[in-house]
Amino acid sequence: ETGVTQTPRHLVMGMTNKKSLKCEQHLGHNAMYWYKQSAKKPLELMFVYSLEERVENNSVPSRFSPECPNSSHLFLHLHTLQPEDSALYLCASSQDLPRTGLHNEQFFGPGTRLTVL
Amino acid sequence: KQEVTQIPAALSVPEGENLVLNCSFTDSAIYNLQWFRQDPGKGLTSLLLIQSSQREQTSGRLNASLDKSSGRSTLYIAASQPGDSATYLCAVKGYSSASKIIFGSGTRLSIRP
Repeated sequence: ETGVTQTPRHLVMGMTNKKSLKCEQHLGHNAMYWYKQSAKKPLELMFVYSLEERVENNSVPSRFSPECPNSSHLFLHLHTLQPEDSALYLCASSQDLPRTGLHNEQFFGPGTRLTVL
Repeated sequence: KQEVTQIPAALSVPEGENLVLNCSFTDSAIYNLQWFRQDPGKGLTSLLLIQSSQREQTSGRLNASLDKSSGRSTLYIAASQPGDSATYLCAVKGYSSASKIIFGSGTRLSIRP
């Protein structure tokens, strides 16, 4: 596997379900990101992890819970979602300059298409 | 607060034409600007990254320029092909550690055979 991979590619869940999205990067990067892409809206940055520490949380509802166990893996745990959470969830990675918040080129995974019924 | 605008939202041109896509940003204190393409329902593919100290970057038929003083970047595509049809997005990262990565809404490009 190369680049950034995401599983599953498609997910349909009910509002009471609990599920997790997984992202893995094979690029040796030290930062990983979760983005949300809804129809007709710009990409929204949700979470940033740098050196496995969460450095940014953009007012995301608590029903989305990220986890970064190591620099290569990133999870997004989902529970009691709403229909308006249906979107394409994209993971990305980059090589950050430590403790500066500055990053180089971002590489994206193929995304998980999430539908909440 | 940084705002990134891409106009037009959609563009259709015949195959073989050279074309320019635009990206404007309101805060010129940027660290870098990155251009991506996105095919329907897919992730983003990085095309070019321009650091704030650079004026342009080239890759094959693509050339991206950056003018920080005017808050503009352009993506030039030479000799367009139907395979270039996609949505093109630009993203700006500010210089301060607290600044977020801000994406434009994209330009949906269609190349007619």
